[in-house]
Amino acid sequence: DGGITQSPKYLFRKEGQNVTLSCEQNLNHDAMYWYRQDPGQGLRLIYYSQIVNDFQKGDIAEGYSVSREKKESFPLTVTSAQKNPTAFYLCASSISLEGHQPQHFGDGTRLSIL
Amino acid sequence: KNQVEQSPQSLIILEGKNCTLQCNYTVSPFSNLRWYKQDTGRGPVSLTIMTFSENTKSNGRYTATLDADTKQSSLHITASQLSDSASYICVVHILTGGGNKLTFGTGTQLKVEL
Repeated sequence: DGGITQSPKYLFRKEGQNVTLSCEQNLNHDAMYWYRQDPGQGLRLIYYSQIVNDFQKGDIAEGYSVSREKKESFPLTVTSAQKNPTAFYLCASSISLEGHQPQHFGDGTRLSIL
Repeated sequence: KNQVEQSPQSLIILEGKNCTLQCNYTVSPFSNLRWYKQDTGRGPVSLTIMTFSENTKSNGRYTATLDADTKQSSLHITASQLSDSASYICVVHILTGGGNKLTFGTGTQLKVEL
């Protein structure tokens, strides 16, 4: 059954700690994305990747880092530089970056600060 | 000010009733508009996509309309069911000099009650 898997579903971070959110897809999609969702706000793009070993900053990349070493995987690291990391993080993928292609989303990771 | 405005912010209806959700956008140049359904604690799922030349598109009990002149879209849900309880997100795709860009609305939270 093809889809996007995000893990863990819930994650807690201590002050000054880096944490990594996992995103894996078996849809054979080239493009992958990370979004942040906060209450009362629309999804905001953190990073996106068009192809393996290539990624671009989105609208709110500060305090985050990503890698794309494999087509299937696009992990997101929330660094200690991100001062307000509490949010619901969504990973998505699409066949390509072309806007008419639908984005398929994972079920998210909810990150909280201890 | 969000360039994709959705109304109402929240809505409660009785099972079996119809409802209409609104999306007004100011972003341009417009390429397409997509409606997503997001269940609580899950990722968004695409319902419909509307291009510039399309006025109406249906997907089962969901019917989306688009007026590109007034920059308005609506999502009509017919004979609502309890499983329709979710957040409905309007997403506008524009073409920029830097490539494709998606702007997400903040969503309408729909609750269907017995």
